[in-house]
Amino acid sequence: GQNIDQPTEMTATEGAIVQINCTYQTSGFNGLFWYQQHAGEAPTFLSYNVLDGLEEKGRFSSFLSRSKGYSYLLLKELQMKDSASYLCAVRDEGGSYIPTFGRGTSLIVHP
Amino acid sequence: NAGVTQTPKFQVLKTGQSMTLQCAQDMNHEYMSWYRQDPGMGLRLIHYSVGAGITDQGEVPNGYNVSRSTTEDFPLRLLSAAPSQTSVYFCASSLQGGSQHFGDGTRLSIL
Repeated sequence: GQNIDQPTEMTATEGAIVQINCTYQTSGFNGLFWYQQHAGEAPTFLSYNVLDGLEEKGRFSSFLSRSKGYSYLLLKELQMKDSASYLCAVRDEGGSYIPTFGRGTSLIVHP
Repeated sequence: NAGVTQTPKFQVLKTGQSMTLQCAQDMNHEYMSWYRQDPGMGLRLIHYSVGAGITDQGEVPNGYNVSRSTTEDFPLRLLSAAPSQTSVYFCASSLQGGSQHFGDGTRLSIL
């Protein structure tokens, strides 16, 4: 199984940059996902990392260090609509290909 | 494509009643899973399936049954509802190794 840690809540200012961290412990790492979930809605896929390094997708980037069991999601040029929960999910080599989710980080963007 | 469709969207049950939450996907995904989401707990895996005729237990399977007779459908059955099963339930589907596509959720209250 996995042990996944994320901060519970973060606040940031519109236009700023915020970094949401995720640390994990797993017996056999096989990929890390980030999802965004607005209040009352379903999670939606943001990014996937399986190799070390940075994956950039518009205003959002995700970084992975497998040796440190660490990932972060970087959100640039924050907008009010970025207020949401951000879920880190880790897949291991157990064979089910179903990832385990962390408890999520609630991001509040204020003017 | 409709994606992942869950019904009903809302349901209120009395303790001891049984019911089935429906989930259907039209993307020909092999993998399907059911999660429950409670405040502060993140998404917890109930049951999952890696193909028609194959199901397995997740982290919190007690009190729930599933079956996968077709690729498209993956119903979740509550055998005898308990107040502890009050939650938001999400169904998700994916290709092997791919990101998950979530339904809009079922908000279930058990009195």
